[in-house]
Amino acid sequence: GAVVSQHPSWVICKSGTSVKIECRSLDFQATTMFWYRQFPKQSLMLMATSNEGSKATYEQGVEKDKFLINHASLTLSTLTVTSAHPEDSSFYICKLDRDTEAFFGQGTRLTVV
Amino acid sequence: QKEVEQDPGPLSVPEGAIVSLNCTYSNSAFQYFMWYRQYSRKGPELLMYTYSSGNKEDGRFTAQVDKSSKYISLFIRDSQPSDSATYLCAMSSSGSARQLTFGSGTQLTVLP
Repeated sequence: GAVVSQHPSWVICKSGTSVKIECRSLDFQATTMFWYRQFPKQSLMLMATSNEGSKATYEQGVEKDKFLINHASLTLSTLTVTSAHPEDSSFYICKLDRDTEAFFGQGTRLTVV
Repeated sequence: QKEVEQDPGPLSVPEGAIVSLNCTYSNSAFQYFMWYRQYSRKGPELLMYTYSSGNKEDGRFTAQVDKSSKYISLFIRDSQPSDSATYLCAMSSSGSARQLTFGSGTQLTVLP
């Protein structure tokens, strides 16, 4: 069965608005979750590491004030794209790790118009 | 130079063909190698996982790692239309899934 649930699977929003994406761990408690972004025909790029109960760690070049991450519980991490612009349109995917195995969410296709 | 290079394709083959997908890498510290399959508009799912050099077989899929050449391959035998997806290689030096470096993915279409 599914280990990770990501919601919504797709969203269209107007430029300047904010969008929240949820990632839930279904089978185990995840102290750490990861957020990736994937542009068409490009690799998965790690955006940030979400840590339960503490601030997220952002990769170089990722604006922490634009991509707000909240990991308030061991089963839920949220990514909020604030003041979205068309260049933020992408496929966003969360990932959990259990031992040596990675489990990905279903992904969220964000289109900013 | 990217740490992991993967031919993006697209690659089209007839049903039943043998498919070969490849990645090269530059970081000699990588020891753990994975292949993920990603269907359109879905998250990647783990297909194969290998450690160090050698072969690993699982049904129609065979993963090969040649650390001396820094080259990994995924072979799909008797390919099916349901194999049509993007295949991503990924690798890690630590054995932790937390520190994966991904290839850009190869888009495969198996024609019926």
